[in-house]
Amino acid sequence: SQKIEQNSEALNIQEGKTATLTCNYTNYSPAYLQWYRQDPGRGPVFLLLIRENEKEKRKERLKVTFDTTLKQSLFHITASQPADSATYLCALREGGFKTIFGAGTRLFVKA
Amino acid sequence: GAVVSQHPSWVICKSGTSVKIECRSLDFQATTMFWYRQFPKQSLMLMATSNEGSKATYEQGVEKDKFLINHASLTLSTLTVTSAHPEDSSFYICSARRVGGENEQFFGPGTRLTVL
Repeated sequence: SQKIEQNSEALNIQEGKTATLTCNYTNYSPAYLQWYRQDPGRGPVFLLLIRENEKEKRKERLKVTFDTTLKQSLFHITASQPADSATYLCALREGGFKTIFGAGTRLFVKA
Repeated sequence: GAVVSQHPSWVICKSGTSVKIECRSLDFQATTMFWYRQFPKQSLMLMATSNEGSKATYEQGVEKDKFLINHASLTLSTLTVTSAHPEDSSFYICSARRVGGENEQFFGPGTRLTVL
């Protein structure tokens, strides 16, 4: 069956360190992979999109990698800040309209 | 740019009543809008995909007669929960895909529905 797996355990890191979140998937061939941020009681906010033919993408302190052989994406936040504390969602889109979301990983950045 | 609003942000209703939730793209046109529901600490579950001017496509297990979706224009989609029951209580979130965009989805702030 198709699965998107994100670490269900919360990630706790110290301010200033790099946070690395993992998204693994099985039985998908995504055309795009996206990362979103969600705060409690709020809708997700789009962060980055990476295509299947791209290995890496950066935006300010954010970096996403996409390995279609390993079926894995890594999401990095460098120089993390307490304001980065949130749940981060990985989402896949194959052909067509549908985008499927992982359950998310909760990140806590301590001052 | 790319702002999506939802109204209301929260609603409490009695069992058996119907509730309408609006989703608007404020500064862009959206040919496709999506409706999700999310339970606490769980993933967003896609309920249906709506395209402007045509019938919505519902995901397996989602009752189309219970969750009525209307996508009347390129900036407005509505979800009506008919004859709501306590098990329908959830966080409902819409999203919109921008015409000519990079395929990212822009989400509304969500609507918290509580059915008593």
